[in-house]
Amino acid sequence: GAGVSQSPRYKVAKRGQDVALRCDPISGHVSLFWYQQALGQGPEFLTYFQNEAQLDKSGLPSDRFFAERPEGSVSTLKIQRTQQEDSAVYLCASSKGAGLVNEQYFGPGTRLTVT
Amino acid sequence: AQSVTQLDSQVPVFEEAPVELRCNYSSSVSVYLFWYVQYPNQGLQLLLKYLSGSTLVKGINGFEAEFNKSQTSFHLRKPSVHISDTAEYFCAVRGGGSNYKLTFGKGTLLTVNP
Repeated sequence: GAGVSQSPRYKVAKRGQDVALRCDPISGHVSLFWYQQALGQGPEFLTYFQNEAQLDKSGLPSDRFFAERPEGSVSTLKIQRTQQEDSAVYLCASSKGAGLVNEQYFGPGTRLTVT
Repeated sequence: AQSVTQLDSQVPVFEEAPVELRCNYSSSVSVYLFWYVQYPNQGLQLLLKYLSGSTLVKGINGFEAEFNKSQTSFHLRKPSVHISDTAEYFCAVRGGGSNYKLTFGKGTLLTVNP
């Protein structure tokens, strides 16, 4: 079946521009996660949704970052007034639930480059 | 707080040689450990996981890992690697109050040479 998809796969933004990154989770998956992977680093947790509710946004690095999942399916990560330090791969993952027995399935990521 | 240390950033090996990728963790609560693989331009794929029970866990593609609580380690091993195993490998931990959240190490690039 279809896995997690993300679009665009690559995004180049000029410093100061706003960007929107989209994640389509696996159909029926209740939980959705966003991670940020800087060059040469492991992914770092940004935020977590259960259905449409954003239950944890402790990893969002600043108030320029905003995520939503209004209908409990597709999610969008928005970054306002992008800065060079925002350059990274943004990974989305989904799972049937948040429990340990539920594997998180990752999308291919969106590589954001801020120039 | 939890953290994961992957001791080697790069591991070059020859095809059919054995390999061990090292991972140590720190946590004040019970943890659950994972290894993920990332091929170029692809998302992370789960190799194996330790939740409870036997400390030796077997995963996909012939990989296995051993949970050692006294040494706080979860090293990944494969007795004979293939060219196709060339990829980035990440060790990760979940646990504590927010056990849905994965905390990753910095990754180890495994390069298998002919």
